[in-house]
Amino acid sequence: QKEVEQNSGPLSVPEGAIASLNCTYSDRGSQSFFWYRQYSGKSPELIMSIYSNGDKEDGRFTAQLNKASQYVSLLIRDSQPSDSATYLCAVSLFTGNQFYFGTGTSLTVIP
Amino acid sequence: DTAVSQTPKYLVTQMGNDKSIKCEQNLGHDTMYWYKQDSKKFLKIMFSYNNKELIINETVPNRFSPKSPDKAHLNLHINSLELGDSAVYFCASSQLRGNYGYTFGSGTRLTVV
Repeated sequence: QKEVEQNSGPLSVPEGAIASLNCTYSDRGSQSFFWYRQYSGKSPELIMSIYSNGDKEDGRFTAQLNKASQYVSLLIRDSQPSDSATYLCAVSLFTGNQFYFGTGTSLTVIP
Repeated sequence: DTAVSQTPKYLVTQMGNDKSIKCEQNLGHDTMYWYKQDSKKFLKIMFSYNNKELIINETVPNRFSPKSPDKAHLNLHINSLELGDSAVYFCASSQLRGNYGYTFGSGTRLTVV
């Protein structure tokens, strides 16, 4: 059983702060890593993908991957109330193949 | 244009009934998926089709049967619905060999009463 674990939260941060979301995975063969954002009552939306160790930045979002420690994280800088959502970590053994999702971390950004 | 569309968006039905959910994608992807999301937001893979061929079939009751008439469509038929089938069902698509993750449909909220 492939496991992807996330802190379910809720995580609350003040507006303008950095939100840090973490995810660990059990299968060392995992190759592709994704972060999805899901607003209440909506479908998951892909916001970041990362495949190699290190950091990947896209606007206010930074994904960090450490394969040796088997964790992937998402940093959201200058958090906005519109960032309030559940963030799902997804891990895949092969690119484009079946994903294993974590249970998500609920983030609330307080104005 | 909606990339991955599912119908219906809401489905309320009685126990024991048979129902279908339809999914269509216009992204040109070669792989489609059905996921079930329970009340705790956990997304679990059910099925995956690549070019009309079943490639993932997780431990799902055989009351659930997927059908893919072509690579742009993947339908889900559920027989003899049970209370525990109540959940949100998401269709998704991707390129099997691509690096872009999934694109999800808007989901079908199934409520069995």
